[in-house]
Amino acid sequence: LAKTTQPISMDSYEGQEVNITCSHNNIATNDYITWYQQFPSQGPRFIIQGYKTKVTNEVASLFIPADRKSSTLSLPRVSLSDTAVYYCLVGSWEYSTLTFGKGTMLLVSP
Amino acid sequence: EAGVTQFPSHSVIEKGQTVTLRCDPISGHDNLYWYRRVMGKEIKFLLHFVKESKQDESGMPNNRFLAERTGGTYSTLKVQPAELEDSGVYFCASSPAGTMSSYEQYFGPGTRLTVT
Repeated sequence: LAKTTQPISMDSYEGQEVNITCSHNNIATNDYITWYQQFPSQGPRFIIQGYKTKVTNEVASLFIPADRKSSTLSLPRVSLSDTAVYYCLVGSWEYSTLTFGKGTMLLVSP
Repeated sequence: EAGVTQFPSHSVIEKGQTVTLRCDPISGHDNLYWYRRVMGKEIKFLLHFVKESKQDESGMPNNRFLAERTGGTYSTLKVQPAELEDSGVYFCASSPAGTMSSYEQYFGPGTRLTVT
C-alpha cells in the first residue's frame, strides 16, 4: 500500500480557500486517491475520489498532477463547520479496505 | 434513507467481561466493514463481510474478537473476554456491491468501548 504524508494540522479563517496537500510518492498504477472528512464523535465521511487531473463535486475539488505523486484537496470558502480531520487515502480498486493515516486537523476560525 | 447505525454509542465494561457491538448497515449494502481506533492511534481495519461471508478478516487482533453477519443484514462484533487494550472507538461502514463503489464507504457514528 502506498504511504501517504499530509500536514498534521492547518488553520484557516472563514471564507478562505483551503488547500491540503498529500504526498504519495510510491503510488501504484492502479491506485486511486480518496479523501475522507471526520467530525468529532462521528465516523469518517467520503468527500471525493480521483485518479488523475482534476475532479470537482459540490463539496471540494481534487487536483492530481501528471506524476500522481501528490494530490491537493481544495475546499472553497470554508466555514466554521468545515473544522474536521481530513484523511488522504491511496489504494487499488482490488483492495477495498481503507487504510487511514493520521490525517490533517483543519481548524476554521471566525 | 437511514444511514449506518451502531449500538450502543458507548459501553463501559470491566476487564474480563463480554461486550457485543451491533451494526446495521444501509439497506441493500452487501459490503460491511469493521474498523477501530484505539487511543492515540489511527483508524485500523478489522474485517470485511460481503453479504454473510467474511471476505477479509486479516485485521482482527486475536481470537477474543468474533464477528458475525447472519443473513447478510446486521452484524455483531463480540469481544470476549475484554482486555484493557480493547478500549477505543469501533466503527462500522457499509458500501454497495461492486468494486467501483468500494472506496465510498458509509460510516456509522461508532461505538466507544471503555474497558476498566
